[in-house]
Amino acid sequence: QSVLTQPPSASGTPGQTVTLSCSGTTSNIGTKPVNWYQQLPGMAPRLVLYSDDLRPSGVSDRFSGSRSGTSASLAITGLQSEDEADYYCATWDASLFWVFGGGTKLTVL
Amino acid sequence: QVQLVQSGVEVRKPGASVKVSCKASGYSFSGHGITWVRQAPGQGLEWMGWVSGYNGNTNYAQSYQGRVTMTADTSNATAYMELRSLTYADTAVYYCARFFGGLVPKYIDYWGQGTLIVVSS
Repeated sequence: QSVLTQPPSASGTPGQTVTLSCSGTTSNIGTKPVNWYQQLPGMAPRLVLYSDDLRPSGVSDRFSGSRSGTSASLAITGLQSEDEADYYCATWDASLFWVFGGGTKLTVL
Repeated sequence: QVQLVQSGVEVRKPGASVKVSCKASGYSFSGHGITWVRQAPGQGLEWMGWVSGYNGNTNYAQSYQGRVTMTADTSNATAYMELRSLTYADTAVYYCARFFGGLVPKYIDYWGQGTLIVVSS
């Protein structure tokens, strides 16, 4: 059971916008910025958003993020087949432990 | 560019120990931490703990306390993770990753390629 809650699956068609959610508590998302990781099949995870809404160099501007209260979200606009992957949210908890969401498997139909 | 290169596949019997290395390059090793994350087959990411590249301080997830040791060797920019008393449930891919942000890590930004540890009799 993960500390952060993500829906196990999501889907969209090419060109659509999909939004992935991540829910936590006042001990984590409520006070700490959220980061998002993309994991393609058989690969190591990759950082796609940090500090809620910042993109590392090389990450498409189709990825955007936000945080409000104890929830955060990752939006992908202009969905492409290459976006099909598992997405994980993560942040610090007040207990000084790093916590992950359970991950959302995004399918591009 | 930042790179984290991990040691190769390991196979151990139940009850044994394993030690994985993570060689860092492309940045100041002592300026950031190294964290370890594992992923069991078909499962999500699980945080195990981290070690400071600056002073070697550690913080372990509760479920691993007493069974894991993480160290950082600044002389060769390499971090190590030793896991003891292995059980079949420890079969997983183990990733090292860089915790960006000096003494106060902020987020994971770079990942190693992963090391598969198989526990089998």
